[in-house]
Amino acid sequence: GESVGLHLPTLSVQEGDNSIINCAYSNSASDYFIWYKQESGKGPQFIIDIRSNMDKRQGQRVTVLLNKTVKHLSLQIAATQPGDSAVYFCAENPPSNDMRFGAGTRLTVKP
Amino acid sequence: NAGVTQTPKFRILKIGQSMTLQCTQDMNHNYMYWYRQDPGMGLKLIYYSVGAGITDKGEVPNGYNVSRSTTEDFPLRLELAAPSQTSVYFCATRDQGASYEQYFGPGTRLTVT
Repeated sequence: GESVGLHLPTLSVQEGDNSIINCAYSNSASDYFIWYKQESGKGPQFIIDIRSNMDKRQGQRVTVLLNKTVKHLSLQIAATQPGDSAVYFCAENPPSNDMRFGAGTRLTVKP
Repeated sequence: NAGVTQTPKFRILKIGQSMTLQCTQDMNHNYMYWYRQDPGMGLKLIYYSVGAGITDKGEVPNGYNVSRSTTEDFPLRLELAAPSQTSVYFCATRDQGASYEQYFGPGTRLTVT
């Protein structure tokens, strides 16, 4: 079946560097995508979303890029801070009421 | 405004026991969801509800039951606990609108031995 997946399970970056977390999706009918951040022992928290009619969306220090041609989603975090250390999930909304989540990427920020 | 609350935080069950995981929200959201998260994995949808009196199966519904008698509460029932149900369970809600953003509770860590 179609699913959401991630290219990298772990990512380690130096504090102050930019981080890029990637996600591949296979359901071409998905029209909405969300990135979530999950800190240890907590539930996921919304970071940013993007609709399929957009290629890019920016938030505070975060940017999401959507490439529908290759079914690829990325989350860019500028000037990564220790507080950004967490697991990041992408989620897609296929033509149904539920979101499908990827396996997640663990981001570790080294001081 | 407590958001989404889940009880208990932790629970250990013996094989074959039953229990109910509670989820309550005070945001007046129509949509509610139950997910499970196995170690090092993403979230898998168990059941969801689009409003009081309406529930639907997600990806992994076997071994679970839900009910939605009120907007606020969405309990998840395990009838015959099995080791494969050892996981962290998250409840989530979302408003009916243009955004699909879900608001998650803190989770219930369940171990079945």
